[in-house]
Amino acid sequence: EAQVTQNPRYLITVTGKKLTVTCSQNMNHEYMSWYRQDPGLGLRQIYYSMNVEVTDKGDVPEGYKVSRKEKRNFPLILESPSPNQTSLYFCASSLSVQGFVGAFFGQGTRLTVV
Amino acid sequence: QKEVEQNSGPLSVPEGAIASLNCTYSDQGSQSFFWYRQYSGKSPELIMFIYSNGDKEDGRFTAQLNKASQYVSLLIRDSQPSDSATYLCAVNIRSSNTGKLIFGQGTTLQVKP
Repeated sequence: EAQVTQNPRYLITVTGKKLTVTCSQNMNHEYMSWYRQDPGLGLRQIYYSMNVEVTDKGDVPEGYKVSRKEKRNFPLILESPSPNQTSLYFCASSLSVQGFVGAFFGQGTRLTVV
Repeated sequence: QKEVEQNSGPLSVPEGAIASLNCTYSDQGSQSFFWYRQYSGKSPELIMFIYSNGDKEDGRFTAQLNKASQYVSLLIRDSQPSDSATYLCAVNIRSSNTGKLIFGQGTTLQVKP
């Protein structure tokens, strides 16, 4: 089954404790991206990657890191989480940038930083 | 001015009617436009994309693009209660060769039986 898998689905952590949210896709997609969704602010792009070893900033990259060492995985790293990073996070992938950006979204990760 | 704007709604239509959802964008260089549907508590699902001025139809859905006026719309014909969801407009700004995607805040659609 074609899918984008995020882990964990739910996470509560404390301020400053490094964490990683994993994202994996099994469709051999070139493009992957991370978004956060907050009430009243909608979906905002954090980082995206157009291929292995190619990443770029979205609209709200501060406080986040990503890496794309292999095509299927695109982890999101919070080196020192803060309460303002409490949010619902989505990973997405698509075959290419043109026409299918973010066609497949993961199930989401609800992160709470206390 | 926000880069991508949508009326948050809710937009309420009776079952069987046409629902019209609108989206405006500020970047004149925008090239690619997308509509996503998001049910409460679920992840967004791509339902339409459009690049060229005019209409694009897919089943009950029609996307309309007017680059001169900088708006894109989504029409849902024969609306069903199962269409009740939040519809997100997304714009790939500046160039279709970049992956930077800006979303509107979404319009909540309610289809009443």
